[in-house]
Amino acid sequence: AQSVTQPDIHITVSEGASLELRCNYSYGATPYLFWYVQSPGQGLQLLLKYFSGDTLVQGIKGFEAEFKRSQSSFNLRKPSVHWSDAAEYFCAVVRDDDYKLSFGAGTTVTVRA
Amino acid sequence: GAVVSQHPSRVICKSGTSVKIECRSLDFQATTMFWYRQFPKQSLMLMATSNEGSKATYEQGVEKDKFLINHASLTLSTLTVTSAHPEDSSFYICSAPGANVLTFGAGSRLTVL
Repeated sequence: AQSVTQPDIHITVSEGASLELRCNYSYGATPYLFWYVQSPGQGLQLLLKYFSGDTLVQGIKGFEAEFKRSQSSFNLRKPSVHWSDAAEYFCAVVRDDDYKLSFGAGTTVTVRA
Repeated sequence: GAVVSQHPSRVICKSGTSVKIECRSLDFQATTMFWYRQFPKQSLMLMATSNEGSKATYEQGVEKDKFLINHASLTLSTLTVTSAHPEDSSFYICSAPGANVLTFGAGSRLTVL
């Protein structure tokens, strides 16, 4: 079954520093991959998605992610973190062809001044 | 862009009562909607798929009689938690596919006393 693993439960980063969140997927064919962000008590906002094509995907809020088939990874990056980036980040993969998503456990990002 | 609205955002109820949560697609039609449940500091788990004009399909382990889903129109799906108990307290999030991505509602926090 399709699944994603987010190895890092919690990451603390200084404001202005770079951020990388790891995501590994398990899927037989080319996966449809997503990164979502969730602020406390809020719903999910799509940061970016990968369906096919260019393996480096640009998203909103200055985020990007790179699909690496050889490593089964889809890591999220941001060159310079802002305090407003403190949130929970979820990697997800389409489970079937019908928009059902399997989510990773999430990574909590704390930004220190 | 596609917007999904959930109501109420917060609800507190007594044990044994039923609670209805609404999920609306505001500017697009959705023949399918998805209901997720999120426990504190955990990931989202798909509960069921709501299908307009037909029965919902539930994930394994989800009680159909406990979580009643109705998809009465192309823009509205409702989740009713029947005879709620404290263990049903959770964050419930709906989503609908629009423009090749899933759009999530802001979520509904249910607290059962």
